[in-house]
Amino acid sequence: AQSVSQHNHHVILSEAASLELGCNYSYGGTVNLFWYVQYPGQHLQLLLKYFSGDPLVKGIKGFEAEFIKSKFSFNLRKPSVQWSDTAEYFCAVNLDTGTASKLTFGTGTRLQVTL
Amino acid sequence: NADVMQNPRHLVRRRGQEARLRCSPMKGHSHVYWYRQLPEEGLKFMVYLQKENIIDESGMPKERFSAEFPKEGPSILRIQQVVRGDSAAYFCASHNRAGANVLTFGAGSRLTVL
Repeated sequence: AQSVSQHNHHVILSEAASLELGCNYSYGGTVNLFWYVQYPGQHLQLLLKYFSGDPLVKGIKGFEAEFIKSKFSFNLRKPSVQWSDTAEYFCAVNLDTGTASKLTFGTGTRLQVTL
Repeated sequence: NADVMQNPRHLVRRRGQEARLRCSPMKGHSHVYWYRQLPEEGLKFMVYLQKENIIDESGMPKERFSAEFPKEGPSILRIQQVVRGDSAAYFCASHNRAGANVLTFGAGSRLTVL
């Protein structure tokens, strides 16, 4: 069974600091990879996704993620965080079966950005 | 505001009562998923439904839990005889067609069992 690991449970950064959140998955086949963000009291929103092609994926709000197949990783990055980035971030994976199917989520990383 | 609407947002039940959670998918979406997030855990898949059909319920507990997505109206996740361990956030997600690869999520329903 596939699994997703997010190494950092809680990250605290000052504004303008750089961010990297780790995500590793355990499935050896072809997968689709996602990062979702949940702002306090809101629904999960898609930040970015990787299906195929360029392993460096750009998302909304200045986020990007790099798929490194050899490391089974899909780390999320942002060069300079803002206070408004305070949220919970979830990495997710599903098998590339051509349907949205069921996602396997990591446990999430709570990011707190201080002024 | 999320386009996938869930209600209630918060529900409190005593042990042994029933909980009903509702999900209206995005307009035009006929595929619905339910996920559960237990405290300190990631979201876990429960069930995948299309209109009037359960496609995959491999993540549903064997007892007390059921889901439906009728021809008319919202999808319903029903939990009978709730126990404290059912306390969690329940998320609904939808997409518009088979082959779509991205889910749109609702804001979740938080169930607290006293």
